[in-house]
Amino acid sequence: AQSVTQPDIHITVSEGASLELRCNYSYGATPYLFWYVQSPGQGLQLLLKYFSGDTLVQGIKGFEAEFKRSQSSFNLRKPSVHWSDAAEYFCAVGGGYQKVTFGTGTKLQVIP
Amino acid sequence: NAGVTQTPKFRVLKTGQSMTLLCAQDMNHEYMYWYRQDPGMGLRLIHYSVGEGTTAKGEVPDGYNVSRLKKQNFLLGLESAAPSQTSVYFCASSYGGVSGNTIYFGEGSWLTVV
Repeated sequence: AQSVTQPDIHITVSEGASLELRCNYSYGATPYLFWYVQSPGQGLQLLLKYFSGDTLVQGIKGFEAEFKRSQSSFNLRKPSVHWSDAAEYFCAVGGGYQKVTFGTGTKLQVIP
Repeated sequence: NAGVTQTPKFRVLKTGQSMTLLCAQDMNHEYMYWYRQDPGMGLRLIHYSVGEGTTAKGEVPDGYNVSRLKKQNFLLGLESAAPSQTSVYFCASSYGGVSGNTIYFGEGSWLTVV
């Protein structure tokens, strides 16, 4: 069975600082991997996704993520965080038919 | 470009009442889904549909029913609401199966059962 672990429930960073959100997955084959962002009171929006090829994936809003097969990880990064990045971030893994599993989310707080 | 639209956005129900959440998408997607989101549990799939006239059970289908009479609409029904169904409900759609395709979400429907 596939699964996703986001070990950090809540992260606080200063505006302008770098950000890394952790995601570990479990899946028997090469997975499809996603990061979604949810702003307060809104639905989820896709930031980026990985299917194959280059293991460093660029997304919207200046985010990137790196797929590391050896570590079963797909961490999300941003070099300089803006106040508008405060939101909840979900990692997800897709593999089986009609099956995508979401992590429990990481809430990002940005302080001035 | 409306995308995925859900109604109502907020609703309070009494235990035992029934209601229907409406979802409409204008992207001509074949696949539609209903998720619920609860604190600390991420998103869990309730039911989904792979095309007009089809429905299938997801992870947590008990207490819910769905219908997909038209390609653009996906309805979620609560037959007899229970406090455990207090949650935020998200409708979503995708062009193909979720495993490899982007899922487009509605803005959510906040349901409280008292």
